[in-house]
Amino acid sequence: GQNIDQPTEMTATEGAIVQINCTYQTSGFNGLFWYQQHAGEAPTFLSYNVLDGLEEKGRFSSFLSRSKGYSYLLLKELQMKDSASYLCAVRDGDYKLSFGAGTTVTVRA
Amino acid sequence: IAGITQAPTSQILAAGRRMTLRCTQDMRHNAMYWYRQDLGLGLRLIHYSNTAGTTGKGEVPDGYSVSRANTDDFPLTLASAVPSQTSVYFCASSDSTGANVLTFGAGSRLTVL
Repeated sequence: GQNIDQPTEMTATEGAIVQINCTYQTSGFNGLFWYQQHAGEAPTFLSYNVLDGLEEKGRFSSFLSRSKGYSYLLLKELQMKDSASYLCAVRDGDYKLSFGAGTTVTVRA
Repeated sequence: IAGITQAPTSQILAAGRRMTLRCTQDMRHNAMYWYRQDLGLGLRLIHYSNTAGTTGKGEVPDGYSVSRANTDDFPLTLASAVPSQTSVYFCASSDSTGANVLTFGAGSRLTVL
């Protein structure tokens, strides 16, 4: 199985930047995903990293360092609608996806 | 609209009863999955199917069974429900190509009393 750690909660102000860290220990590695989940809804795909480096997609960016077992999700120009839980997920050598417990981000005006 | 349909949306069930959660996708995805989500524990894989006719066990398979008779349907059965199976259950699918991104259904909230 996987050991995936991310902070439980983060709070930030509208318009600010927040960085959500994720560390993992895995048996084999075939990619790291970030999903967004609003309360009471299904998770939706945000980003995918399989090689080291930064992937940018609009206001959201995701970074991966495979040697360090580390990723972060960067949310820029925070909006109230970004209040949600952000899930870090790692795909192992058998191509099964395991999720961290999620980080609840609260955006305040 | 293409996607995954789960039923029921919500169910209260007496312990010991049998329950089947239904999941249907119309995206012709090869792989399908069942996760449960509990507060503080995140999503945990129950069972999966890489293609029609095959299934596999995930992280927490005990007390659950699945079948995959065709590409579109992947029902999850609780043979004899127990209170610890109270959870939100998400079905997901992926097309097994490229990034293999999972698409999730809206979830089924199950309460076992």
